[in-house]
Amino acid sequence: GQQLNQSPQSMFIQEGEDVSMNCTSSSIFNTWLWYKQDPGEGPVLLIALYKAGELTSNGRLTAQFGITRKDSFLNISASIPSDVGIYFCAGHKGTYKYIFGTGTRLKVLA
Amino acid sequence: GAVVSQHPSRVICKSGTSVKIECRSLDFQATTMFWYRQFPKQSLMLMATSNEGSKATYEQGVEKDKFLINHASLTLSTLTVTSAHPEDSSFYICSASNDGDTEAFFGQGTRLTVV
Repeated sequence: GQQLNQSPQSMFIQEGEDVSMNCTSSSIFNTWLWYKQDPGEGPVLLIALYKAGELTSNGRLTAQFGITRKDSFLNISASIPSDVGIYFCAGHKGTYKYIFGTGTRLKVLA
Repeated sequence: GAVVSQHPSRVICKSGTSVKIECRSLDFQATTMFWYRQFPKQSLMLMATSNEGSKATYEQGVEKDKFLINHASLTLSTLTVTSAHPEDSSFYICSASNDGDTEAFFGQGTRLTVV
């Protein structure tokens, strides 16, 4: 099935560093969602974006809905060890279907 | 966020048997539920979308007779893996939304192992 391209695929960072990841698509989405998945668990919703250009924060997380509606990015500031996990973006077109990104695997070194 | 509960979290079954996985929305009415399959270190692949009271819509390549989906109420959807084989072993995850046009919330996932 269709997937969104996410980059980077994986990253190792030092605790306290800021993290940035993005998600791109060849088609337009009406909604962008960012999820985090811990091993053996289902994804947990972090941030939802509804309008092009929208910038939304949730604690140390900030996400933006790209102006072209074909991309989104997620920033994590001052990373901590519990930020480790896989981050997925998901796009929604209002067709009752969510398309997921390929995932960014984050590892934080204490 | 809304709570979606999936049960069981882990199940081991013998080849040829059937396994039922339940997905419940605990604090909202889920008009639409989605079933995903996730292989190790990969993303979520949508298997099917179900709307309460109607037949599920399956993605291309997903056998509807093998993966039976029922969405009989606004708070419960079930996925039954029929005549399971070892290649069906995977992590199955459901998600639910209240109108298909807002955020979707995920269950905890079910690790199925077929031996």
